[in-house]
Amino acid sequence: DIVMTQSPLSLPVIPGEPASISCRSTQSLLHRSGFFHLDWYLQKPGQSPQLLIFWASHRASGVPDRFNGSGSGTDFTLKISRVEAEDVGVYYCMQALESITFGPGTRLEIK
Amino acid sequence: QITLRESGPTLVKPTQTLTLTCTFSGFSLTTAGVGVAWVRQPPGKALEWLALIYWDDDKLYSPSLKSRLTINKDTSKNQVVLTMTNMDPLDTATYFCAHRSLIVTATGFDSWGRGTLVTVSS
Repeated sequence: DIVMTQSPLSLPVIPGEPASISCRSTQSLLHRSGFFHLDWYLQKPGQSPQLLIFWASHRASGVPDRFNGSGSGTDFTLKISRVEAEDVGVYYCMQALESITFGPGTRLEIK
Repeated sequence: QITLRESGPTLVKPTQTLTLTCTFSGFSLTTAGVGVAWVRQPPGKALEWLALIYWDDDKLYSPSLKSRLTINKDTSKNQVVLTMTNMDPLDTATYFCAHRSLIVTATGFDSWGRGTLVTVSS
């Protein structure tokens, strides 16, 4: 089974500052299609998760361009160029190469 | 606009079978590339994927829960039904259904229901 880890698990950020979340998988997420089967979600307080990034670096429709996904193989990163108050919540990475597994989540809070 | 809504019992007893229904609109489960998944979240904990059904009736299950899960679709009613047998208090969670289009957002679940909280207690 592919296990996902994230760091940090808690991330206090000052508004306007950048933020970065790391996600690692126990095996490469490269699909034979050439794409990495890694998605990023944000679950705001009291809400359902929302898709931010699919295929490791493709921003979903309506997602602000301050959110950027990168990475390859087993190491992936979600970067927020300038954090806003509305970005508060728990960020999850999810692999969909073999079955589907989520990471433990990273809680972003405003300092 | 895609919408999904989960429905089912809020309370089940241990050993009982849970049946949840996801009723959706804004898409068809007969369209190539479309799938609907179930994901759960115990209170204060992380997301856990359970099952996924595609337009062609291909079904995928979480390996750890496969023996307890069944997912089916009723395209005439725009519904996806999940059954989970032998419920345990550890299965207490909010259960979400979510939409995926392999053509639009590939592996991403781009629309989610609000979720339904299921408590397992005697």
